[in-house]
Amino acid sequence: DAMVIQNPRYQVTQFGKPVTLSCSQTLNHNVMYWYQQKSSQAPKLLFHYYDKDFNNEADTPDNFQSRRPNTSFCFLDIRSPGLGDAAMYLCATAGGSTDTQYFGPGTRLTVL
Amino acid sequence: AQSVAQPEDQVNVAEGNPLTVKCTYSVSGNPYLFWYVQYPNRGLQFLLKYITGDNLVKGSYGFEAEFNKSQTSFHLKKPSALVSDSALYFCAVRRGNSGTYKYIFGTGTRLKVLA
Repeated sequence: DAMVIQNPRYQVTQFGKPVTLSCSQTLNHNVMYWYQQKSSQAPKLLFHYYDKDFNNEADTPDNFQSRRPNTSFCFLDIRSPGLGDAAMYLCATAGGSTDTQYFGPGTRLTVL
Repeated sequence: AQSVAQPEDQVNVAEGNPLTVKCTYSVSGNPYLFWYVQYPNRGLQFLLKYITGDNLVKGSYGFEAEFNKSQTSFHLKKPSALVSDSALYFCAVRRGNSGTYKYIFGTGTRLKVLA
């Protein structure tokens, strides 16, 4: 089945140790999004790609970076995780003839 | 600015009773409105959307939503609640131009269906 896949589902890292979260999709959507979600709050958009065009939200910390090497894959890099970065990170896609955003299962990040 | 509001943090309903989860919106132009559900430690699952056409939209798992332009509302409904419907529900609105669409989410409503 076509879907949005996130790996790993659970990630534990140490304070200040770089971490990379990955997202892949088989929907062939041209837009991919990264969200941060804390404690059942609304997802907060970090950035999104339209094809290879990168769109950063104004309030996304510089500590967060992203890469999209091809249509199928997108990565979220946290260069120096702090305790406040512990959250669920959600990847989503949209595009083609659909108006709908489709989400992956999320990666729960713990920072020790 | 485009936004949605979910006025209730939590809704409790008895199993078998009808449920309503409220959402109001503020948009310029025609709204593109969505409902998502989130189970613990999972991503958001799409339930239904309103783009144009009939004001009553039917979606997954027996859910439906009514678009009301005069009241700027898009309430989620189900005629008979199940315990398994207990989850976190988000209303969302799409904004932006083609290629730069963003989805703005409400604060979420936790639904508890009591057996």
